[in-house]
Amino acid sequence: EVQVVESGGGLVQPGGSLRLSCAASGFTFSDHFMDWVRQAPGRGLEWVGRITNKPYSYTTSYATSVKGRFTISRDDSRSSLYLQMNSLKTEDTAVYYCADVGTKGTSWGQGTLVTVSS
Amino acid sequence: DIQMTQSPSSLSASVGDRVTITCRASQGIRNDLGWYQQKPGKAPERLIYAASTLESGVPSRFSGSGSGTEFTLTISSLQPGDFATYYCLQYNTYPFTFGQGTKLEIK
Repeated sequence: EVQVVESGGGLVQPGGSLRLSCAASGFTFSDHFMDWVRQAPGRGLEWVGRITNKPYSYTTSYATSVKGRFTISRDDSRSSLYLQMNSLKTEDTAVYYCADVGTKGTSWGQGTLVTVSS
Repeated sequence: DIQMTQSPSSLSASVGDRVTITCRASQGIRNDLGWYQQKPGKAPERLIYAASTLESGVPSRFSGSGSGTEFTLTISSLQPGDFATYYCLQYNTYPFTFGQGTKLEIK
């Protein structure tokens, strides 16, 4: 069964940092590009960023709203995806999901809630 | 950035109705489009990818069409479990962008 499980969310003050993790199972993680998507409370979905796989040099791309503050990485040996979030703002408050949203696709996990508040 | 204009933003319909949701891209995206269903408190689930390919296990009453800049999601005969919010997503050009969503409610 294809499964992704996000973790690492919590309450953080503005300007702080947090690292999210996503553990994948049930599929060949290294074959997939992987994305982070977020959803602020009561709002729509927002794509955060993507990391390609080894044949594509682990290239990363980001939404304008997070570029320079967020960094996506992966560890194929652990089938894990990461999102390092720095200089957090109140508007980064959201549930964060990991998935492959491209043609290959994967299912989504239940997400992890990040709350940025003083 | 490519803008995805989804319409309508909300829709009231009855069980058994046929409904259509549209997404328009501000520039051509070939067929690099997915449709997602999200129920309250749950993660989104992809119904369709590559504009018209049904995900495994998705009922055949769902269908997608379009290419380039105009895309549609059609539900041929609404069932009670279909009342949810639907989103389109273009994955042709970075940054990827979602439509603003269509909330499908029971009439």
